[in-house]
Amino acid sequence: GAVVSQHPSRVICKSGTSVKIECRSLDFQATTMFWYRQFPKQSLMLMATSNEGSKATYEQGVEKDKFLINHASLTLSTLTVTSAHPEDSSFYICSARVATSGLDTQYFGPGTRLTVL
Amino acid sequence: EDKVVQSPLSLVVHEGDTVTLNCSYEVTNFRSLLWYKQEKKAPTFLFMLTSSGIEKKSGRLSSILDKKELSSILNITATQTGDSAIYLCAVDRDDKIIFGKGTRLHILP
Repeated sequence: GAVVSQHPSRVICKSGTSVKIECRSLDFQATTMFWYRQFPKQSLMLMATSNEGSKATYEQGVEKDKFLINHASLTLSTLTVTSAHPEDSSFYICSARVATSGLDTQYFGPGTRLTVL
Repeated sequence: EDKVVQSPLSLVVHEGDTVTLNCSYEVTNFRSLLWYKQEKKAPTFLFMLTSSGIEKKSGRLSSILDKKELSSILNITATQTGDSAIYLCAVDRDDKIIFGKGTRLHILP
């Protein structure tokens, strides 16, 4: 149980185009989803917190107009990288939070590797 | 199907104790195994292991990979209350990262 999927797993696009990444919780409902970006040396940076039915909360330094997040339902959140540039090339990972017996647990998706040419 | 399994799921110990967290995996095209500590926001990177049998250390934390057994352990000695967190194990297979469900560690003062 508690599987999170991401689509696509890998995308290559030209500079200036927009790319949409989907994050789905397959067998549970997630009121909150998180979007991370993986940097060199494996560190993960939290980009934003996405709550179903409301606007995402972005971390300091993350451009909300560039990284559009939509949490349309309890099982789907999307991250759109608008006007992508080579410096946006990275590994983007989402996670979904489910509250069980008062303890919050995050389940991570497999990531999406974005390459901007 | 690729999977990463961590055990135990939760652990409560007293300050000063030593703990060992386990991670086993069944992943094709293994590239590396990663350990993270998650407290509030983004998981904090701890170790990346690629070679079997070579221990990596950082202060009171150490980790080792056993490619034959398809597993890794994370040791924390002389635990402190600040070590309370969820410890995540993940396996990188280049086109995706597969995370375990984490071990929730709670250190009692």
